[in-house]
Amino acid sequence: EPEVTQTPSHQVTQMGQEVILRCVPISNHLYFYWYRQILGQKVEFLVSFYNNEISEKSEIFDDQFSVERPDGSNFTLKIRSTKLEDSAMYFCASSEIPGGRGSNQPQHFGDGTRLSIL
Amino acid sequence: AQKVTQAQTEISVVEKEDVTLDCVYETRDTTYYLFWYKQPPSGELVFLIRRNSFDEQNEISGRYSWNFQKSTSSFNFTITASQVVDSAVYFCALSDPYGGSQGNLIFGKGTKLSVKP
Repeated sequence: EPEVTQTPSHQVTQMGQEVILRCVPISNHLYFYWYRQILGQKVEFLVSFYNNEISEKSEIFDDQFSVERPDGSNFTLKIRSTKLEDSAMYFCASSEIPGGRGSNQPQHFGDGTRLSIL
Repeated sequence: AQKVTQAQTEISVVEKEDVTLDCVYETRDTTYYLFWYKQPPSGELVFLIRRNSFDEQNEISGRYSWNFQKSTSSFNFTITASQVVDSAVYFCALSDPYGGSQGNLIFGKGTKLSVKP
């Protein structure tokens, strides 16, 4: 079964450094998402992306965050100047069409990247 | 505003007991989707079920069953004859793809289930 893959599985970065989290969505999917889960807390929506542009973003997704689909397969989340509070698990997800609309397929999640800011 | 409430923070049961995880949601829209995800200790999110707002039929999948009641805005999840491998955090989520969003998921805070042998 096709999977969403995320690399790396664990990223350790010094505060203030830039970090790029990578995701390869399922190949025929058109909608891409990033979510964040601070340790022990709920999963929170960051941003959705379709047709090479951001569709929607949450309050968390401020100017230090950006997303990009640099080629036909990768979907990246960049954090420009990391802060301690950015430490979290970051999940990438993809879907054929938005969030289950008209389809039996939900958003498929990757296994996550654990980001640790020192 | 959309909201998902999982009032049970932690539940501990002994193997073979039945356990129900509660989920209550809020949305203004008439068309929406509800989900349950399992997050085992390894951290990944495992999709369990999706239900749309027009389908109130209860669903059973093996030891898992779901009770969707629109009248009370609840989508509860029952595990029958629980096993140690069921130990995980379970998240209920709501998606409102017709409400102007791209269907991003709104998650509850999760219920941590511990099943002891």
